[in-house]
This record gives sequence, C-alpha cells and structure tokens, in this order.
Amino acid sequence: DQQVKQNSPSLSVQEGRISILNCDYTNSMFDYFLWYKKYPAEGPTFLISISSIKDKNEDGRFTVFLNKSAKHLSLHIVPSQPGDSAVYFCAASVEYGNKLVFGAGTILRVKS
Amino acid sequence: DSGVTQTPKHLITATGQRVTLRCSPRSGDLSVYWYQQSLDQGLQFLIQYYNGEERAKGNILERFSAQQFPDLHSELNLSSLELGDSALYFCASSPRPLGRYNEQFFGPGTRLTVL
Repeated sequence: DQQVKQNSPSLSVQEGRISILNCDYTNSMFDYFLWYKKYPAEGPTFLISISSIKDKNEDGRFTVFLNKSAKHLSLHIVPSQPGDSAVYFCAASVEYGNKLVFGAGTILRVKS
Repeated sequence: DSGVTQTPKHLITATGQRVTLRCSPRSGDLSVYWYQQSLDQGLQFLIQYYNGEERAKGNILERFSAQQFPDLHSELNLSSLELGDSALYFCASSPRPLGRYNEQFFGPGTRLTVL
C-alpha cells in the first residue's frame, strides 16, 4: 500500500520557468513532510520540509505548499535552473516518529 | 557531502552469499537508518538504531540484520542473497530519534548486485 504517491514519473520545464512537483498521501497521521533531491550516484539531499501546522514554507527558490484537506503537497521551484535536473522524492513522517515514507520520485529535467 | 559515509560503493556477489554494508553517521548523530531502493522505486525503510539500540523496524527480511556499534557506526548484514536483493542500500543519520524536525542526512549508498 503506497502511502505516499508521486504520480508524475517525469517533468520537463524550460530554464527560468516554474517547476511544480506534486505529491499525494493517504495516511492522515502524517504531519511532517520533506522533499529530497537526488543526483545519479549520490544519496538523497534534504531540500525543504513543512510541518502540518503550516500550509507554506519557503526557502529561496523553493516553496512547499501543503493542503491537508486534500492530503496533497507540492514543491515549486522558481526560477528553474539546469542544475535542478534531478530526481525529487517526497517523504512523510509522523511527528516524533522515526522512519520516513518515500514516494517513488519524479525526474525533473530543466532544459536550457 | 552529507557527512555520512558508506562502504563499499559497489558490491557484486552471487546468490546464496552473505555481505556486510557499513555506514558511519555524521559526527554527533546518534540515530542511523537503513533504506533499500530497488529499481525505479522509492526508498523503503528497513531499520533504525539509536545509540546502539534498535528503535524501529520496517520491511526488513529475516535474512537481513543490522547493528550499531559503540562508536556509532552501523553495519547491515544481508545473507542467503537472492537476485531480488539487488538494489541500492542507503544509510541515513539524524541527531535524535524523535523530534518534530526529523531531517535525515543520507550517505551515497551501496549498490548491491546479486548474480
């Protein structure tokens, strides 16, 4: 049972435009959400997170939005750069929990 | 560089064999997590240790075991290997087992190929 779903396997955007990556979850106990970026032959790198008490968190070019009623979160990258091309994983956890539950990932390609 | 190291980078072995993967967490981190990533899938949580003690278990097979040593490094032992065990194995660390902010920092992974 996939509790965290990233329904788009890949996304292609033009440099300078906005990239929007989506993630849905089914477990209403999740209350902390994270995005990781992964380059080939490297481990996932923490990007940004959001607690369920917020609906938006911003860090530079990266913004994560959380819609609890829809059990949906999204990562916005503005403006997109070629170096952002990577696999992006959405992950979720229960507050004070231990493990992260990951989605299958979305491959982002930013074309210059 | 996350500060988490994993060895070896690559491992090729045969079915039925046993291997050990090693992880050193970031300096000061007490918690170590192991994840498995099979082809085109997300990371699946296997097991977590905190300061030498097992704290949480995920979808870890009985053929797999792990431990965390007094110097906080961890080893994941995989035995009676099958073709389906071929995957990337990631180790992650975090400063504490529980807490509101549970960022985990990942190592570069060990790619295991079972032939």
